[in-house]
Amino acid sequence: DQQVKQNSPSLSVQEGRISILNCDYTNSMFDYFLWYKKYPAEGPTFLISISSIKDKNEDGRFTVFLNKSAKHLSLHIVPSQPGDSAVYFCAAVKPNFGNEKLTFGTGTRLTIIP
Amino acid sequence: GAVVSQHPSWVICKSGTSVKIECRSLDFQATTMFWYRQFPKQSLMLMATSNEGSKATYEQGVEKDKFLINHASLTLSTLTVTSAHPEDSSFYICSARAIRESYEQYFGPGTRLTVT
Repeated sequence: DQQVKQNSPSLSVQEGRISILNCDYTNSMFDYFLWYKKYPAEGPTFLISISSIKDKNEDGRFTVFLNKSAKHLSLHIVPSQPGDSAVYFCAAVKPNFGNEKLTFGTGTRLTIIP
Repeated sequence: GAVVSQHPSWVICKSGTSVKIECRSLDFQATTMFWYRQFPKQSLMLMATSNEGSKATYEQGVEKDKFLINHASLTLSTLTVTSAHPEDSSFYICSARAIRESYEQYFGPGTRLTVT
């Protein structure tokens, strides 16, 4: 049962344009969401997160939007750069008395075209 | 800040032997460490969660006797794959959480295990 889904396995974007990566979830208990970037044969790198009490969080070129009613979040990267080419995972957390764990999506491979 | 290291970065072992992978938080104390496994072109699968000084909590379907986890200190956790088989070949990644109030996990670079 995949509770966190990234329906686009891959995405190609021209350098300088906006990259939009999407993520859907099914469990309404999730109240915190994170985005990670991963290069091959490396561990994921934390990018940005958002709490369910917010609908937007911005950090430099990265902005995450959360639509709770639709159970949908998205990561916007603008402007896209060649170094952004990687696999992006969204992850969700539900409260568990200090024993919270991340539930990862299936990932989207982003390719930035120079 | 928030650097997590793993050692070794890759290892090849023969079937039936055991392999130990170390995970260290270098510049912070980790209240909780996690072990993941990633199959090719798939997402990260959580294997177990460990808190310092207590037994690890394993996810459903993960054999605790095969994947031994020791969280001896606030900066070190180890995963030992016992009696390794070729199907244990995978990419193993650890992560650490600094404080209970934060959900962010910081990941190590991963260990590629190949069992021949």
